[in-house]
Amino acid sequence: DTEVTQTPKHLVMGMTNKKSLKCEQHMGHRAMYWYKQKAKKPPELMFVYSYEKLSINESVPSRFSPECPNSSLLNLHLHALQPEDSALYLCASSHPLAGELEQFFGPGTRLTVL
Amino acid sequence: GENVEQHPSTLSVQEGDSAVIKCTYSDSASNYFPWYKQELGKRPQLIIDIRSNVGEKKDQRIAVTLNKTAKHFSLHITETQPEDSAVYFCAARNGNAGNMLTFGGGTRLMVKP
Repeated sequence: DTEVTQTPKHLVMGMTNKKSLKCEQHMGHRAMYWYKQKAKKPPELMFVYSYEKLSINESVPSRFSPECPNSSLLNLHLHALQPEDSALYLCASSHPLAGELEQFFGPGTRLTVL
Repeated sequence: GENVEQHPSTLSVQEGDSAVIKCTYSDSASNYFPWYKQELGKRPQLIIDIRSNVGEKKDQRIAVTLNKTAKHFSLHITETQPEDSAVYFCAARNGNAGNMLTFGGGTRLMVKP
C-alpha cells in the first residue's frame, strides 16, 4: 500500500457537533501531519506527529484535537467549530529516515461548517 | 520562521511553450525544496524536489534550479501540455524545525491548446 487514505471525503457539520477525521497509511512512515487548505491558498500546517508523539502544534485552536493512536493512524477530532473552519483538511506522512524527506498527501476531507 | 514567496500567482502559456515559476525563501537553514502540483479537487502531488547540496535537477520536461546564495529556486516546465494545467506550490523545509514544510502562495498555470 503506497497511499495515504482519508475518511470521510466530505463532511458537513453544525457548530455544536462533534466529529472526527481519519487518516491512515501503511508505508511504515513515522511522521504524520495535518494541514488545512482554504480555497486558492497553500496548505497550512496544523500539527506534526513524530513516532506517535505530538511534536509541532502551530497554535491551532483547541476546538481541533489531534490523536495518533498508532503508527498507521492519525485522527483529528472536531468540536464546536466555526464556519471559517470550513476548508480541505489534508493529512500527510513521511518516512522517518533523515534522507527521505518527501511528504505524501492524502486526498483530503472537505469540511463544511454550517 | 520561514517565509516562502512565489511568483507569478497566475501564468498562462501556449501549448508547447516553456513555463517558469520562481520562489524565494528567507531561512538559510532550509535544506529541502519540493514542488507540488495540485489539480482541482485533488491532493498535492510531488513532481520534483531538490536538496541544498545540489544546484539543478531534471526529470524529463521538468527541472528545478536552486541558488542558495540568493535563496531562490525555480521550476521550469518545457514543452507544456494542457494536462500541465494546475496549481503549483513550492515549499521549503527548515532542517532545524523537524520536517516542517512552508509553502509558497501557489501559481495557477493554464496551458492553452
